[in-house]
Amino acid sequence: ETGVTQTPRHLVMGMTNKKSLKCEQHLGHNAMYWYKQSAKKPLELMFVYNFKEQTENNSVPSRFSPECPNSSHLFLHLHTLQPEDSALYLCASSQDGPVNTEAFFGQGTRLTVV
Amino acid sequence: DQQVKQNSPSLSVQEGRISILNCDYTNSMFDYFLWYKKYPAEGPTFLISISSIKDKNEDGRFTVFLNKSAKHLSLHIVPSQPGDSAVYFCAASVRGADGLTFGKGTHLIIQP
Repeated sequence: ETGVTQTPRHLVMGMTNKKSLKCEQHLGHNAMYWYKQSAKKPLELMFVYNFKEQTENNSVPSRFSPECPNSSHLFLHLHTLQPEDSALYLCASSQDGPVNTEAFFGQGTRLTVV
Repeated sequence: DQQVKQNSPSLSVQEGRISILNCDYTNSMFDYFLWYKKYPAEGPTFLISISSIKDKNEDGRFTVFLNKSAKHLSLHIVPSQPGDSAVYFCAASVRGADGLTFGKGTHLIIQP
């Protein structure tokens, strides 16, 4: 248990569906992240939020839309995804973004787009 | 272009011996390096880190070595235990920038 909780753990969605991934942390961290892990590829940083403000969008397609309503919650809204978007989506948090502190990861959401 | 490279997809080590996992990087701006461990169906968990001002950091059975001139770091686990079987990710960051850049991971298998 790392203190970062992601729901759902598994999600299967059609290409025309709209769904959302949720991440929650109660570690008092100020930075939250979405990462994507595809098969045989490194973990890729998607979005970064510091103090609820988005500070990085790593060239992610607009069919992925993040939302950070407060420093404890992070969402990833999904719409009109493609089969190649199937991957493990990991949320992480850290004390502060730009400072070199360790990130704590959730267990991930295994997404399958059919 | 991968900035953090773990060239060994898997490594098999006998229980009790030393496990050495390697990582190379290309971005000279990286100044902080981390190792994460990942079990199946779980997110990565932080293991150990090292700042670029150091060349060694030790925590129990785990030691990370950094060779800045070679842009190379390694994780030593000694003695290796069955519970160490997992995928190990090397990660790096640039001070003042957000997020981590990860390698593809090395699957460590500890054999009894």
